[in-house]
Amino acid sequence: SQQGEEDPQALSIQEGENATMNCSYKTSINNLQWYRQNSGRGLVHLILIRSNEREKHSGRLRVTLDTSKKSSSLLITASRAADTASYFCATGQYGNKLVFGAGTILRVKS
Amino acid sequence: DVKVTQSSRYLVKRTGEKVFLECVQDMDHENMFWYRQDPGLGLRLIYFSYDVKMKEKGDIPEGYSVSREKKERFSLILESASTNQTSMYLCASRSSGGLVLSSYEQYFGPGTRLTVT
Repeated sequence: SQQGEEDPQALSIQEGENATMNCSYKTSINNLQWYRQNSGRGLVHLILIRSNEREKHSGRLRVTLDTSKKSSSLLITASRAADTASYFCATGQYGNKLVFGAGTILRVKS
Repeated sequence: DVKVTQSSRYLVKRTGEKVFLECVQDMDHENMFWYRQDPGLGLRLIYFSYDVKMKEKGDIPEGYSVSREKKERFSLILESASTNQTSMYLCASRSSGGLVLSSYEQYFGPGTRLTVT
């Protein structure tokens, strides 16, 4: 079953602008992770936020988690053409599995 | 750097053929996963393995089987390929440790795009 659902499905911005992607989920989680996938390639882990954390930063990435609303957002600041990719949220429950959403396609125009 | 490799980037098979997809990781990870990725559906877990010769069904195991004879290698088998198994197949691995196993990042291979005609 699909747990995380990303919004928007697709996003197109100019280089230098910020990009925000949202993820909603349905059940209790232990952690939430964001991954990036360049066209036709495997996924690369970006950042993990635990259920007892509200915000986390890594370079130009900022992730927030609101467990009361069952939602998370990924902000990429000062975007670059190289950020063009698909972005997936994945929810980690109290077990062994990650459950991935359908992804947001980000296009950064130079 | 963790490296996860998959045997083929592109594969074309005929309906009814037996298909083997191979995945190898070089980081001594206990856990390995097979996903399929389809547009609009994201990644769906087919099978995973938490140790040699151990396996568990994921969300969509029908039509697939797996084999883990060595720690570094995890194979996905399509016993009789069908056109609805045309997809991108992604292998991943992850270390163990801690009480909540999902709280570790997964490392992905480059994917195998399988077409069944």
